[in-house]
This record gives sequence, structure tokens and C-alpha cells, in this order.
Amino acid sequence: EDQVTQSPEALRLQEGESSSLNCSYTVSGLRGLFWYRQDPGKGPEFLFTLYSAGEEKEKERLKATLTKKESFLHITAPKPEDSATYLCAVPNQAGTALIFGKGTTLSVSS
Amino acid sequence: EPEVTQTPSHQVTQMGQEVILRCVPISNHLYFYWYRQILGQKVEFLVSFYNNEISEKSEIFDDQFSVERPDGSNFTLKIRSTKLEDSAMYFCASSALITDTQYFGPGTRLTVL
Repeated sequence: EDQVTQSPEALRLQEGESSSLNCSYTVSGLRGLFWYRQDPGKGPEFLFTLYSAGEEKEKERLKATLTKKESFLHITAPKPEDSATYLCAVPNQAGTALIFGKGTTLSVSS
Repeated sequence: EPEVTQTPSHQVTQMGQEVILRCVPISNHLYFYWYRQILGQKVEFLVSFYNNEISEKSEIFDDQFSVERPDGSNFTLKIRSTKLEDSAMYFCASSALITDTQYFGPGTRLTVL
């Protein structure tokens, strides 16, 4: 069964304290890995798509990387406005649906 | 920037009643999806739709659920007879191609009493 596992479930950081979030997956024939940000009561907001091992994407304080079995979302010098739940998702084998992980809830305090 | 819109933002209904959730996908997208998220749980796939047909549906999407694209812009999810356990956030999403990035709407919070 295709699965997506994210760790840690929750992460508390001080402003400026860099860290990484992990997403591991077991789907075969990966057709892309997607990172989303979700604020409470809102829909997932697209951040990055990664398609092949070794690929990296950056946006402001966020950088996403991909290996054959996992992806990392690196957060450099986070600010309180980076507080949110970060979701990882992969397509199922048919590519007709996204399988989501449970997410990592990030809290950044000033 | 194009975005997916959903209405209503919040729907309260009595158990056993029918509800229709509405979505306007991004205009040049061809693939449409519904997902749901029960409070505190992960986002779960319900159904995907392409070329006026269901492409895939999950075990959650039973006979009580249906989808429709009634015109060139709207995409709807109907729950025929709501249950307490249908209470959740329902998200519509769309993508240009089948494995392309899916863009999500803001969601409809459905509360079944």
C-alpha cells in the first residue's frame, strides 16, 4: 500500500533557529512529490513539486530536496509567519489522486 | 493569479439532508478533485474527474456521494443523505494535467447536526 510518513508531527522553533522536516514515501514509480503549507481552517497552499532524486527547489526561507526514498523541507532562519502545518503528498500509481501525509505542525516563536 | 474558489465557506445541515458543495476550478484546468479533512486528521482523497467522467474514487466515496460538472465552470459534490461522520472540511482541487500540481480551494466546512 502506498504510504507517506512525515516527521516530526510537531516542531517548535525559536525565530532564526533552522531545522528540517522529513517526508518518506513507499509509492513505486514516483511521479512527483508535492509540498503544501496549510494554515488553520484553510486549504493546502502549494509550495513545491519535485520530480527526480537530487532535485532541489527554493522559495524564500524554504528549500525542498528529494532522494529516492524521502524528501526534506529545510527551513532557514524561520520567522513567526512560517508557523503552519506543512503537508507532503505523492500521486498514487495511476496518478489520479494525491496521498497525503499527516503533516508537520511548525510553531515559530519570537 | 488564477485560483480555485468554493462556496459556501460553511454549511450546517441536519442529518439525513442533502447538501451540494460548489467549486469553480482554475479555468484552463482539465482535472478536478474532491478531498476531505476531518478535524485533526490528514487530507483524504474522495474522487477525481476528467472529461465528464469519474477517473477514480476512494472507498469513502460511496453511493451517497456524487459529482457533476453542470456547466463549463462549476464542479459540484453532492452528499445525498448526510451523516454525522460527514462533518469535515471539503476541498476542491484542479490540475492542468493528470500528474501536474493540484491547486486547492479554501474549503467548505460541513457541519452535520
